[in-house]
Amino acid sequence: KQEVTQIPAALSVPEGENLVLNCSFTDSAIYNLQWFRQDPGKGLTSLLLIQSSQREQTSGRLNASLDKSSGRSTLYIAASQPGDSATYLCAVTDSWGKLQFGAGTQVVVTP
Amino acid sequence: SQTIHQWPATLVQPVGSPLSLECTVEGTSNPNLYWYRQAAGRGLQLLFYSVGIGQISSEVPQNLSASRPQDRQFILSSKKLLLSDSGFYLCAWASGTKTGELFFGEGSRLTVL
Repeated sequence: KQEVTQIPAALSVPEGENLVLNCSFTDSAIYNLQWFRQDPGKGLTSLLLIQSSQREQTSGRLNASLDKSSGRSTLYIAASQPGDSATYLCAVTDSWGKLQFGAGTQVVVTP
Repeated sequence: SQTIHQWPATLVQPVGSPLSLECTVEGTSNPNLYWYRQAAGRGLQLLFYSVGIGQISSEVPQNLSASRPQDRQFILSSKKLLLSDSGFYLCAWASGTKTGELFFGEGSRLTVL
């Protein structure tokens, strides 16, 4: 059974610092990995989708890497801003075509 | 562009009452549709998914049911709500491939009293 873990569970950084969020999964047989952002009381917003054949994806200040063989993905957010405060979730599409989510990392960026 | 709508946004219901949450997708055809629940302090739990009209797969035994009467409409229902049904319900869609990106609605907050 695929298990997805996100460490740390919570993170607080001062504005301007780079954020590094980690996601690990136990079964490397995945189709893709997706990073989401969730604001309190809101739905999930897709940030980046990395196909299993890719090693990274970039969008603006966001960069996500994927090392399928070691079961890891890292989301980097450069020059963090208070507006980046949210919960970040990763999810992998397993070999059955279903998404398995991590519990998320709650990020607070202080001005 | 594709959009997903989910309603109602907030619902407060007494124990034993029925439930109907609706989700519709626009701008795409034959999407895979999903219902997730997010309980306080817990991760997302997949409740149901559908790959086509009338095709529903249930992930966990529970007090809820789902239906897909039209290609882009997904409904979550219950005949009698339990206290444990309280939570944040999220509808999502993806293209009909295993490598498709998943997009979520804004969610429905259900409180059962």
